[in-house]
Amino acid sequence: KAGVTQTPRYLIKTRGQQVTLSCSPISGHRSVSWYQQTPGQGLQFLFEYFSETQRNKGNFPGRFSGRQFSNSRSEMNVSTLELGDSALYLCASSLAGVAGNTGELFFGEGSRLTVL
Amino acid sequence: AQKVTQAQTEISVVEKEDVTLDCVYETRDTTYYLFWYKQPPSGELVFLIRRNSFDEQNEISGRYSWNFQKSTSSFNFTITASQVVDSAVYFCALSEASYNTDKLIFGTGTRLQVFP
Repeated sequence: KAGVTQTPRYLIKTRGQQVTLSCSPISGHRSVSWYQQTPGQGLQFLFEYFSETQRNKGNFPGRFSGRQFSNSRSEMNVSTLELGDSALYLCASSLAGVAGNTGELFFGEGSRLTVL
Repeated sequence: AQKVTQAQTEISVVEKEDVTLDCVYETRDTTYYLFWYKQPPSGELVFLIRRNSFDEQNEISGRYSWNFQKSTSSFNFTITASQVVDSAVYFCALSEASYNTDKLIFGTGTRLQVFP
């Protein structure tokens, strides 16, 4: 059973550019959530999608956006990149979107973004 | 507000030593879930355990054990007879159970180094 797949794994951008990250959840999983991991702020929740609808959003500026497609694949976009956006972006999927009930949120290996 | 505190930033032990990772949480919810995840150098978060707020029974899984105490809002994790392969960053996390969400509030993590 394939795990959560994130692409690209590594990328370098310059300030002002935009970036799109992709996440393919485990087959059958309908919920996808995104987290940002930085040395200073740790792991922070960005947003989550369930059946193509954004169900919850973290405290991030509007430059951060996402969407989910009918096949549950998800993308997140960061526009007008800033140096502080350099981070590991982790995607996670779950079967029913209720981590407590499913007992497990499956994470991908992340996309490491460097902003120069 | 919800918060998870992992006061130990880094712990170093020699193989075969026992080690306990501390986790203290804050929440006003009466129903919630607690998790432990392991993050190896590859980056993905690996699920270790989930515990709901109504179940204070300690749990043992091989060399791993967890002690949940609501009275002190703690959910500590012990590795018995540590091995080099246990070297990783360990995160404690909290989620609301009142809503359908995969949003997790993570602690800052504890880096465990096990030396041969």
